[in-house]
Amino acid sequence: DQQVKQNSPSLSVQEGRISILNCDYTNSMFDYFLWYKKYPAEGPTFLISISSIKDKNEDGRFTVFLNKSAKHLSLHIVPSQPGDSAVYFCAGTTSGTYKYIFGTGTRLKVLA
Amino acid sequence: EAGVTQSPTHLIKTRGQQATLRCSPISGHTSVYWYQQALGLGLQFLLWYDEGEERNRGNFPPRFSGRQFPNYSSELNVNALELEDSALYLCASSSPAGTTFNEQFFGPGTRLTVL
Repeated sequence: DQQVKQNSPSLSVQEGRISILNCDYTNSMFDYFLWYKKYPAEGPTFLISISSIKDKNEDGRFTVFLNKSAKHLSLHIVPSQPGDSAVYFCAGTTSGTYKYIFGTGTRLKVLA
Repeated sequence: EAGVTQSPTHLIKTRGQQATLRCSPISGHTSVYWYQQALGLGLQFLLWYDEGEERNRGNFPPRFSGRQFPNYSSELNVNALELEDSALYLCASSSPAGTTFNEQFFGPGTRLTVL
């Protein structure tokens, strides 16, 4: 039962352009969503989160959009930089469970 | 401030053996989480410990177990190893439970290979 899905295993984008990473979920109980970034041989690092009561959260070059009716969220990176090349995981969680349900990840490659 | 540390970095075992993985959380964090990342899969939630108690468990068989020590460090034990247990095991920690959302900070992981 895949509650969080990232249907694009990989994405290539030119430096300076926008990167859009997508994520779909099925669990209506999720009330927080998170994006993590993972470099090889390192643990995932937290990037940005969004509460289910919001539809947008921005932090510098990173913006997460949430469409609750479609059970869809996306991460926008503008402008993309070569250092953004990593695997990006989205996750959902329900308050009080402290249990993150992760997607399978999208490998982003930003081309210089 | 030191991050989450895990040992060993790599571990090679044979089928049927037991594996023990260790995790030290960030100072001040009382919650420890364990995740499994098998090839081609996302991070699968295994266990959550807080204040020495198991608080939540993912959909894994009982041969996956662990504990949390008084200093909040944690061990994950995998008994009767199977080939499909080969994966990257990630530990994360967060500040004391009690709020609705606590950011989890991850360690670099232990790569377990079962031959």
